[in-house]
Amino acid sequence: DGGITQSPKYLFRKEGQNVTLSCEQNLNHDAMYWYRQDPGQGLRLIYYSQIVNDFQKGDIAEGYSVSREKKESFPLTVTSAQKNPTAFYLCASSHLGQGNTEAFFGQGTRLTVV
Amino acid sequence: AQSVTQLGSHVSVSEGALVLLRCNYSSSVPPYLFWYVQYPNQGLQLLLKYTSAATLVKGINGFEAEFKKSETSFHLTKPSAHMSDAAEYFCAVEGSASKIIFGSGTRLSIRP
Repeated sequence: DGGITQSPKYLFRKEGQNVTLSCEQNLNHDAMYWYRQDPGQGLRLIYYSQIVNDFQKGDIAEGYSVSREKKESFPLTVTSAQKNPTAFYLCASSHLGQGNTEAFFGQGTRLTVV
Repeated sequence: AQSVTQLGSHVSVSEGALVLLRCNYSSSVPPYLFWYVQYPNQGLQLLLKYTSAATLVKGINGFEAEFKKSETSFHLTKPSAHMSDAAEYFCAVEGSASKIIFGSGTRLSIRP
């Protein structure tokens, strides 16, 4: 089955720790995205990547880092510099090209700082 | 720059009533528009998309949306609400560099 997989579904982080959220897709999509979702604020773009070994900052990149070493994988690291990391994180992927950017989403990772 | 605005953060309708969720867009070029649905603690699922082929777009679960250039709108409708339609709905537009820009979402509640 083709799709996009996020893991873990729930993640707990202690203050001052870095944590990494996994995102894998087998849809052969060039583009991958990370969004943060907070109640009442919709989806805010953290980082996106259109090609291996290249990625761009979104609207709220501070305190986050990513890598794109393989087309299929786009992990997100939430660093200790992110002051308010508790949120629901969504990974997505899509083809590139005008009108061709229908996004497929993973099931999300809920991160809680304890 | 492209953007979308969803009017109403929460809409409540009775079961069997018309569902109307509003979305207005801003774009300097012909837009590509989307509606997504999100059930609690899940990812988003595409309901329908507009790519200029037809102004009335039919999607899954009985939803449809009409693109109106004169009103810069892309409202989502369903003739008869079901309890299973209760979810959060997001309007989105394709932005520059193929980024997808989402609205703030509308939570739909269905009254028995």
